[in-house]
Amino acid sequence: NAGVTQTPKFQVLKTGQSMTLQCAQDMNHEYMSWYRQDPGMGLRLIHYSVGAGITDQGEVPNGYNVSRSTTEDFPLRLLSAAPSQTSVYFCASSYVASGEGEQFFGPGTRLTVL
Amino acid sequence: GENVEQHPSTLSVQEGDSAVIKCTYSDSASNYFPWYKQELGKRPQLIIDIRSNVGEKKDQRIAVTLNKTAKHFSLHITETQPEDSAVYFCAASNFNKFYFGSGTKLNVKP
Repeated sequence: NAGVTQTPKFQVLKTGQSMTLQCAQDMNHEYMSWYRQDPGMGLRLIHYSVGAGITDQGEVPNGYNVSRSTTEDFPLRLLSAAPSQTSVYFCASSYVASGEGEQFFGPGTRLTVL
Repeated sequence: GENVEQHPSTLSVQEGDSAVIKCTYSDSASNYFPWYKQELGKRPQLIIDIRSNVGEKKDQRIAVTLNKTAKHFSLHITETQPEDSAVYFCAASNFNKFYFGSGTKLNVKP
């Protein structure tokens, strides 16, 4: 099993550009989530999904969109990048549908917005 | 929404000593409390978790205690080793959402 994979590992964007961060898991997990990690602020939940076709907002959803068309994939879209979105982004998945079990994190994407 | 506070932000101990990290939460509906360890440049990994119907859980040198009335939970690491050096995050979960503390950087001096 590859576990949770994320692409790209690093990305530099200019203000106003759009991009999609990819996340995939091969463990047949129903629950998937996206976090951003900023220095001194821990992990903050952006969006999450409890199954294909179901998504919901987390703590900091503004400026981000998600979709979940398959169990395996959960892409995160930045519609118009802003410097405030410079961060490390982690995708995670869990075998517990509510997420209240071990979350397996991907390796992260380091995004810089100039 | 939920607010999770974590203390201390940094902790330095001598190898073999114990380390304690404390977290408080605000929403009494939170019912699942995991702890994650994150080494420098790596992804977070679960080290222990506890549910709201349990007061204490142990796994070898690691234990977590939960006081629902006071809305606080703590991570205890005994006989610390240099490889325990990392950033530790607590979290609280309710209604499918996770809220993380700001992290504690633990340094274990050999």
